[in-house]
Amino acid sequence: EPEVTQTPSHQVTQMGQEVILRCVPISNHLYFYWYRQILGQKVEFLVSFYNNEISEKSEIFDDQFSVERPDGSNFTLKIRSTKLEDSAMYFCASNEWGGRETQYFGPGTRLLVL
Amino acid sequence: GENVEQHPSTLSVQEGDSAVIKCTYSDSASNYFPWYKQELGKGPQLIIDIRSNVGEKKDQRIAVTLNKTAKHFSLHITETQPEDSAVYFCAASNPYSGGGADGLTFGKGTHLIIQP
Repeated sequence: EPEVTQTPSHQVTQMGQEVILRCVPISNHLYFYWYRQILGQKVEFLVSFYNNEISEKSEIFDDQFSVERPDGSNFTLKIRSTKLEDSAMYFCASNEWGGRETQYFGPGTRLLVL
Repeated sequence: GENVEQHPSTLSVQEGDSAVIKCTYSDSASNYFPWYKQELGKGPQLIIDIRSNVGEKKDQRIAVTLNKTAKHFSLHITETQPEDSAVYFCAASNPYSGGGADGLTFGKGTHLIIQP
């Protein structure tokens, strides 16, 4: 069964450094999402992406965040200058038609900012 | 924007008993309500979802009910088993708010513990 994959599984970085989190969505999916989950808290929506542009973003997704689909398979989240409060689990998700359709989540990348 | 409240935060039931988790939402335009199960160290996995044109949906031991008037929906798990132990999240989305690619608004989660 196809699934969303994410790399790396864990990332440790120093405050102020840039990080890039990578995702490979399910191959025939057209809509892509990033969420984050701070330890012990709920999953929070960051951004959605369709047709090579951002479709929707939350208040969390400020100027330090960016997303890109650099090729036909990868979907990346970049954090330009990490802060301590960026420490969280970051999940990528995808689906075929957006809207009222199941979003399939990857296993996540645990980011720790020191 | 949408706000989803979920209760209880922790639920402990005896194996074989039923478990019920409840959620309320604020945006009357929301019309898609999935439930996700998250096991330790893993991403959320969809277990069941319901769309606003139906009031109830069942899949083996799992059922979801939706009351659009009251803006609440519930997850029911019958004949609970040890492998049901996990964190369960409800979510809601309005497909017309984000040009079709809609972020889900999640509840805070319920830690379900199945006592042997």
